[in-house]
Amino acid sequence: QVQLVQSGTEVKKPGSSVKVSCKVSGNTFSRYATNWVRQAPGQGPEWMGAVVPMSRTPIYAEKFQGRLTITVDESTNTAYLDLSSLTVDDTAVYYCARSIPQLRYLDIWGRGTLVTVSS
Amino acid sequence: DIVMTQSPGSLAVSLGERATIDCKASQSLLYRGNNQNYLAWYQQKSGQPPRLLMIWGSTRESGVPDRFSGSGSGTDFTLTISSLQAEDVAVYFCQQYLSLPVTFGGGTKVEL
Repeated sequence: QVQLVQSGTEVKKPGSSVKVSCKVSGNTFSRYATNWVRQAPGQGPEWMGAVVPMSRTPIYAEKFQGRLTITVDESTNTAYLDLSSLTVDDTAVYYCARSIPQLRYLDIWGRGTLVTVSS
Repeated sequence: DIVMTQSPGSLAVSLGERATIDCKASQSLLYRGNNQNYLAWYQQKSGQPPRLLMIWGSTRESGVPDRFSGSGSGTDFTLTISSLQAEDVAVYFCQQYLSLPVTFGGGTKVEL
């Protein structure tokens, strides 16, 4: 059974960066896309970007271009989200979620990582 | 970007009654190449991540009860819960996956 296990809660200052990890169990890591989705309190989810480990080429939503970096470590089946220049508007739960590379419905989700940005 | 608009924002339904949630896309989600609608539905219970309920507008994922059904095509879609159970209390989201960035509706809160 595939599971996505995320790192723990983060509290950050405005202007800083945050790095969230997502470890994928099972032997499907390389063949599926790992997506990053965030959800601010009371809001709908917002897709940020994704990477397919086999291609190693991430794709980003235009909104996050320039301050979002998604990377993978295939040796540990782990994907990373790195978001810089944080503002209070980045306060949200950040999820990783799996999808078939060409079909981006999200069938398995991590439990989420709360990132709070506060001065 | 494709804008997804859900209605209503919330609804209260009695146990055993029907719940209907609408989702409207700013452009057609029907891909002529395979005649499929690139529309998914999710259920999110308090404190949990979203759970995928349905893909292609109307295909239930494994383990999803058959009281959940999806309909619609093009730009207008509906999720119906035919007989609401207590465990169905949640927020429901639609999502288009026809084009990047994938986008979600704002959610519909279903309560008793």
